Amino acid sequence: NAGVTQTPKFRILKIGQSMTLQCTQDMNHNYMYWYRQDPGMGLKLIYYSVGAGITDKGEVPNGYNVSRSTTEDFPLRLELAAPSQTSVYFCASSYLEQELFFGEGSRLTVL
Amino acid sequence: GENVEQHPSTLSVQEGDSAVIKCTYSDSASNYFPWYKQELGKGPQLIIDIRSNVGEKKDQRIAVTLNKTAKHFSLHITETQPEDSAVYFCAASNPLNYGGSQGNLIFGKGTKLSVKP
Repeated sequence: NAGVTQTPKFRILKIGQSMTLQCTQDMNHNYMYWYRQDPGMGLKLIYYSVGAGITDKGEVPNGYNVSRSTTEDFPLRLELAAPSQTSVYFCASSYLEQELFFGEGSRLTVL
Repeated sequence: GENVEQHPSTLSVQEGDSAVIKCTYSDSASNYFPWYKQELGKGPQLIIDIRSNVGEKKDQRIAVTLNKTAKHFSLHITETQPEDSAVYFCAASNPLNYGGSQGNLIFGKGTKLSVKP
């Protein structure tokens, strides 16, 4: 099994551009999450989903949007990119409320 | 809301020594405390977890202890090896649930562990 797959691994954006970070999992997990990791700051929850068609805000949702049309996919949309969104983004999934399985991350730089 | 403090931010030990990382949490309603290991360029991976009805849990060279009264929990790694070098994160379940899910975790800022051969 591939687990949690994120694309792209690296991306450079200009201020004001938009993009979508893709995340897919093949473990049939119902819970999926997006975190951002800034240097020395741990992981902050952006959005999460408890199943297809259901999403909710986490700790730092401003500037982002998500959708969950299928169990497998949970894309994260950045609108009007800002330098403050320079970070490493991790997608994760879990079966109910148990162990989180993380992807390998997407490093985004906004210049 | 929940706040998790983690210490130290960096830790250097000699191979074979023990390493201890400590975390405190603020909300007594938190009931799940996992530890994640993150190797360079990878996503975090669960290494051990503990629930609030247990005081200690062991898995080979790794152990976690929980003191609910003091609201702190610790990771203990014995007989450290160079491959233990990584960043370790503690986390606590977020009682605010952000709408209902107990799967939301509040993470500490991480401890960079270096094991010198």
